[in-house]
Formats: sequence, C-alpha cells, structure tokens
Amino acid sequence: AQSVSQHNHHVILSEAASLELGCNYSYGGTVNLFWYVQYPGQHLQLLLKYFSGDPLVKGIKGFEAEFIKSKFSFNLRKPSVQWSDTAEYFCAVQPNFNKFYFGSGTKLNVKP
Amino acid sequence: DADVTQTPRNRITKTGKRIMLECSQTKGHDRMYWYRQDPGLGLRLIYYSFDVKDINKGEISDGYSVSRQAQAKFSLSLESAIPNQTALYFCATSEFGAGGTYNEQFFGPGTRLTVL
Repeated sequence: AQSVSQHNHHVILSEAASLELGCNYSYGGTVNLFWYVQYPGQHLQLLLKYFSGDPLVKGIKGFEAEFIKSKFSFNLRKPSVQWSDTAEYFCAVQPNFNKFYFGSGTKLNVKP
Repeated sequence: DADVTQTPRNRITKTGKRIMLECSQTKGHDRMYWYRQDPGLGLRLIYYSFDVKDINKGEISDGYSVSRQAQAKFSLSLESAIPNQTALYFCATSEFGAGGTYNEQFFGPGTRLTVL
C-alpha cells in the first residue's frame, strides 16, 4: 500500500544536539513534500516545503530538509536544537497535486 | 483574525448524539479537508472537497458526512456519535497552483471532541 513512513516515533535530545528525522514515501509520479510542526496544544504549522528545483530546502527556525528522489526520502534536519523545538513533527506528501498523505508523526522532546 | 476557524473548539457529547463541526476560511481557497488526529496515528483524512460541487471520501469516512455550503464553509457531521470517534479534528484548506507553489495546507485550531 502507498504510504508515508516516519520511523522515529519519539526522539529525545539535549539542547544543541543535531536532529535528523526520517520520512520515506511510496508514491510515484510528481510529489510535493512538506514538513509540519505541531507545538503542544496548537494546530499544525508549515516548517518547509519542496515542489521542485534545489533538493535541499530551507525552512523556518533553522530547519532544512533534503529530497532524495532515488530513496523516496525527505528527511528533516536541524544542526542544533533548542528546548523550544519540543513538538510533534509530521511529514506530508501530495502526489500529483491531489490530496495529502501524512506520516504518523515524530514527537521530539528537547531537554534543557 | 485567524484565516481558518473551527467551531466549537471543545465538545463533550454522549453516544448516539448527532454532532456538527464547522469550518470557515477567509483565505479564498477552493480546497478544504477534514482530518482526525489520534495519538500515534498522525492525521487521517475523513473527507475532502476541491470545490463547492466536489465532495470526496477520505480513508476513514465511515460514520461521518460533510456539507460544503459555500467556498468558505465546510461542515463535518457525526450522525450518531460513538466513543471511538473521540479525537482531535482539524479542518484545512489549500489552493491549487499550476506551478505547485501554492499547494500547502493551512490548518484550523482544531476541535477536541469527546464522546462518552
């Protein structure tokens, strides 16, 4: 079945540690890719998006993601996390400009 | 003012009751979506609408119905609520851009529904 996989369900890091969250998808054709963040008690907000062009995408708050087409991956990275990055992160895929598919999310807990 | 609003924000109801959750948007987007969020399951699509005359089932539409009253309004109904419909419900909007640059979704604040 086609899907979006986030293999890390819960990540715990200390401040200043580097972060990489994995996202793999199984849809073919043209895909638009997104990372959303959900801070505790809030709605989802867009971190970054990829539509075309440079596969390394920079988003808000120092986040970036790399699209690797051959690996069907769109991993999220941040060189140095802060306590305020504690949140749940969702990868989303939009195949062929149609509806969106979300991963199950990764909860990030950053210890001060 | 928020671009995507949802009412109510919290609702507690009893099994068998009919419930309507409402979503309004001022972004002028054609596309609207209803999702439910459950811990560990991410967001699952209930229904979506690409314009006023277009309604489509998502992956978990059983037990739900929707109405697209206008471009700006998309309501979700639970005809006879059951406890496993207890969840956080989000409405989202997006627009279609041929170049792909306008396809991101914008989410409402969510409705926390508890069915006893």
